[in-house]
Amino acid sequence: GAGVSQSPRYKVAKRGQDVALRCDPISGHVSLFWYQQALGQGPEFLTYFQNEAQLDKSGLPSDRFFAERPEGSVSTLKIQRTQQEDSAVYLCASGKRDSTYEQYFGPGTRLTVT
Amino acid sequence: EDKVVQSPLSLVVHEGDTVTLNCSYEVTNFRSLLWYKQEKKAPTFLFMLTSSGIEKKSGRLSSILDKKELFSILNITATQTGDSAVYLCAPLRDNRLAFGKGNQVVVIP
Repeated sequence: GAGVSQSPRYKVAKRGQDVALRCDPISGHVSLFWYQQALGQGPEFLTYFQNEAQLDKSGLPSDRFFAERPEGSVSTLKIQRTQQEDSAVYLCASGKRDSTYEQYFGPGTRLTVT
Repeated sequence: EDKVVQSPLSLVVHEGDTVTLNCSYEVTNFRSLLWYKQEKKAPTFLFMLTSSGIEKKSGRLSSILDKKELFSILNITATQTGDSAVYLCAPLRDNRLAFGKGNQVVVIP
């Protein structure tokens, strides 16, 4: 079946621009996670949804970062007034049920802020 | 503060060799530990370990968890060039995976 998909795969933004990154989880998956992966590092947790409820947003690095999942399926990660330090790969993962189940990752969106 | 230390960070082996990758962790509210393989794309799920001392196997890969000593091992036997990747260890705590930096494995023919 189809895996997690993300779009766009690559995004170049000028410093100060707003960006929106989309994640389509595996159909029927309840949990959805966003991670940020800097070059040469492991992914770092940003936020977690169970259905449409954002249960944990403690990993969001600043109030410029905002995530939503209004109907409990597709999610959008928005970054306002992008900065160079936001350049990274943003990974989305989904899980069958709650957060104790294994997470399946999408291909990521590589964001470059110039 | 979560600590996940993977070693060795990088290694080069010949096809047919056996590889042992180590992951030690200190995280609060530990639930389980997951291993992923990452090539130049999404991390792909390998194993989820919840209980100590029970080896999980998938083909040439196997993994085991020690919850008393807080570490896990991932073994790859009879390595192939397709095993070249970064292997990520990720303890699951609360609602999140806490990733290590990864073990970069290069398998040369």
